[in-house]
Amino acid sequence: GENVGLHLPTLSVQEGDNSIINCAYSNSASDYFIWYKQESGKGPQFIIDIRSNMDKRQGQRVTVLLNKTVKHLSLQIAATQPGDSAVYFCAENWDNYGQNFVFGPGTRLSVLP
Amino acid sequence: KAGVTQTPRYLIKTRGQQVTLSCSPISGHRSVSWYQQTPGQGLQFLFEYFSETQRNKGNFPGRFSGRQFSNSRSEMNVSTLELGDSALYLCASSLAGAMNTEAFFGQGTRLTVV
Repeated sequence: GENVGLHLPTLSVQEGDNSIINCAYSNSASDYFIWYKQESGKGPQFIIDIRSNMDKRQGQRVTVLLNKTVKHLSLQIAATQPGDSAVYFCAENWDNYGQNFVFGPGTRLSVLP
Repeated sequence: KAGVTQTPRYLIKTRGQQVTLSCSPISGHRSVSWYQQTPGQGLQFLFEYFSETQRNKGNFPGRFSGRQFSNSRSEMNVSTLELGDSALYLCASSLAGAMNTEAFFGQGTRLTVV
């Protein structure tokens, strides 16, 4: 698959550690956010979403935090596994009636054995 | 439940030709969005179709067009292909009625223009 940017920021973590992937979003009017995971040769896979009326949302092994004051989103992955190695994108949307998401540049997560 | 299906997976075309890509959304989903993914520009929104109507459009030239059928399947067309159109084209489907919702992607069609 197209794993995006020629110079993607990379985060390397030890297997079993927690990972934190950060994203600065662009529009203060954005009210809906999604984190995606993209593995080589595949399309982006939905991980978790959050709306602007929330600060935190938890899923299975993942937590998304939203700080609207500084337009910052983070994805926390607990007990990172080798299968978590991928490129992670945040996506924002400010159109209540549309599905036109603006994607961040992505972060490559590399899990070390 | 079947996921989003895109066909074909790979295409090689010559400059100046045109190409049509197809996307079948998840059953029950009425919104289909198209994105272009390149190493240099990342993921960029092309357009969205909902109930056979284009609801949103990104910042791409008119050579890029699309349509949606009554069964929600969508096609996108690129005419007069340029080398820079080489990319992974992704479609995403969602329920997306009255508010923005989760969007699920297909595997993409990799287009190479030579």
